[in-house]
Amino acid sequence: QKEVEQNSGPLSVPEGAIASLNCTYSDRGSQSFFWYRQYSGKSPELIMSIYSNGDKEDGRFTAQLNKASQYVSLLIRDSQPSDSATYLCAVWESNTGKLIFGQGTTLQVKP
Amino acid sequence: EAQVTQNPRYLITVTGKKLTVTCSQNMNHEYMSWYRQDPGLGLRQIYYSMNVEVTDKGDVPEGYKVSRKEKRNFPLILESPSPNQTSLYFCASSLSKGNGYTFGSGTRLTVV
Repeated sequence: QKEVEQNSGPLSVPEGAIASLNCTYSDRGSQSFFWYRQYSGKSPELIMSIYSNGDKEDGRFTAQLNKASQYVSLLIRDSQPSDSATYLCAVWESNTGKLIFGQGTTLQVKP
Repeated sequence: EAQVTQNPRYLITVTGKKLTVTCSQNMNHEYMSWYRQDPGLGLRQIYYSMNVEVTDKGDVPEGYKVSRKEKRNFPLILESPSPNQTSLYFCASSLSKGNGYTFGSGTRLTVV
């Protein structure tokens, strides 16, 4: 069973700060990595995908991937109270059709 | 509108009474999947399908059945539900392996 690990939090940051969310994975052959945002009682929403080592930026979000260290992160710049949610890291297993999720990190952005 | 539609949104049933949760996508996606989400356990994959008539077990398949007779539909069947299957269920679809899943709105199932 391949694993995806996240710190459950809560991670609390003040409004306007940078929030940094981290994820590690065990499947060294994985090639596709995702970050989802889930508001309480709602379905997960895909916010970032990353496939190559390095950084990928989209608006206030930056995903970072380091395959050698088996590490994925998500940075949220200028955090807003509306960013308060649970953030889920997901990794496609390399030799199956499974998309495996971490347990999620709860982010609280305080005004 | 591109979407994954699952029904019903809420369901209360009794132990042992067979039920089906429907899932349909209008994006011509190859991959479809069912997840359950429980507090403290996160999202766990029940079954997935890579294409019509091709399905495989996820991490928690016991007590569930699926079928993929058409590309757009992927129903989840609980033939004899038990209280430990009380959960929030999500259907999801993806264009192909390596793309992210798009999730449906969820089905909250209670088995009494």
